Amino acid sequence: AQSVTQPDIHITVSEGASLELRCNYSYGATPYLFWYVQSPGQGLQLLLKYFSGDTLVQGIKGFEAEFKRSQSSFNLRKPSVHWSDAAEYFCAVVLYNNNDMRFGAGTRLTVKP
Amino acid sequence: DAGVIQSPRHEVTEMGQEVTLRCKPISGHNSLFWYRQTMMRGLELLIYFNNNVPIDDSGMPEDRFSAKMPNASFSTLKIQPSEPRDSAVYFCASRSLDWDTEAFFGQGTRLTVV
Repeated sequence: AQSVTQPDIHITVSEGASLELRCNYSYGATPYLFWYVQSPGQGLQLLLKYFSGDTLVQGIKGFEAEFKRSQSSFNLRKPSVHWSDAAEYFCAVVLYNNNDMRFGAGTRLTVKP
Repeated sequence: DAGVIQSPRHEVTEMGQEVTLRCKPISGHNSLFWYRQTMMRGLELLIYFNNNVPIDDSGMPEDRFSAKMPNASFSTLKIQPSEPRDSAVYFCASRSLDWDTEAFFGQGTRLTVV
């Protein structure tokens, strides 16, 4: 079955430490890939997206993600986490030929002072 | 553009009552999604429309749920009759099929059924 997997439900990092959030997908073809962030009580905001081309994409707030076709992964990274990054992060995929947009279960990020 | 607009932001209703959630997508977007978010089940895709036509409603939990998109600028999600287990945050999102864009989300409607 087609799916999006975020293996880590909850991650805690210290402020200033590096961050990597994992995302794997299971689809027959390369989908469009996205990372969204959700702060408490808010809607979802796009951090970055991948459609084609360079497999390392830069997003807002200092985030980046790398698409690895061989691993069916699209992991999100940030070199130095700020306390304001505490939120829930969602990986999403869209199959370009049917517009079906699915989300992973989300990873909650806690930032320790 | 004001973004995706959802109304109401909060809704409290009694079990058995009809609930209607509304969504205005971004002008020019021709694809619209309805999602439900709960702690237990995360973000679930309920239904999506392309060019006002429902494409996949397999995520709609029961016949109590129905969604319509009478025109390109308006969609509704109706629950009739509502039950306490329908309590959740419901999000509407829109995107363009014609361009490589992401989906833009509304602020959500927090529904509480008592």
